[in-house]
Amino acid sequence: ILNVEQSPQSLHVQEGDSTNFTCSFPSSNFYALHWYRWETAKSPEALFVMTLNGDEKKKGRISATLNTKEGYSYLYIKGSQPEDSATYLCAQRGYGNKLVFGAGTILRVKS
Amino acid sequence: DGGITQSPKYLFRKEGQNVTLSCEQNLNHDAMYWYRQDPGQGLRLIYYSQIVNDFQKGDIAEGYSVSREKKESFPLTVTSAQKNPTAFYLCASSRGGVYTEAFFGQGTRLTVV
Repeated sequence: ILNVEQSPQSLHVQEGDSTNFTCSFPSSNFYALHWYRWETAKSPEALFVMTLNGDEKKKGRISATLNTKEGYSYLYIKGSQPEDSATYLCAQRGYGNKLVFGAGTILRVKS
Repeated sequence: DGGITQSPKYLFRKEGQNVTLSCEQNLNHDAMYWYRQDPGQGLRLIYYSQIVNDFQKGDIAEGYSVSREKKESFPLTVTSAQKNPTAFYLCASSRGGVYTEAFFGQGTRLTVV
């Protein structure tokens, strides 16, 4: 059973603040962990696909780490900007291409 | 342009009626997915398909049915057995394989009155 949990549920930060979110998942039978960004009125878009323990990915000011042994991933945003406001979703890839999402973290960045 | 098309964007139905949501992709992806989002909640998996003529129940399949007769199409039928059908429905596809990201359609907002 894939049970993906994200925290916090929502976050309000000031422009320029750095922030991070957590994604927890079952560590057994791990295949891959995805991060997506979902902006209002748009479709979710992939940020990272992470597969190996200790993996670190970076895209501009956004980075992510993965710990498959303890079952968690962190997403970091450095120097948040108003355009970073979105819902950030993580998803675990399971057997047979199953893809199960967490409830997401809503980020609001005030200018 | 390659992508995923969901239609219609908004759909209204009377209670007790079955309704079919369309999802078409021209990305040549093997895997396709249907998710449901309710206010304040994330994406919950309804059904997914790895390949043509094969599909699996997700976490909330009761009251829904799907078919996968063509690689590019994965329609979702919301039946009268679904107790709370009003929601936002998202279709996604991926190449298949654990390393591949999913791509999403624009969604269909279904309102049952």
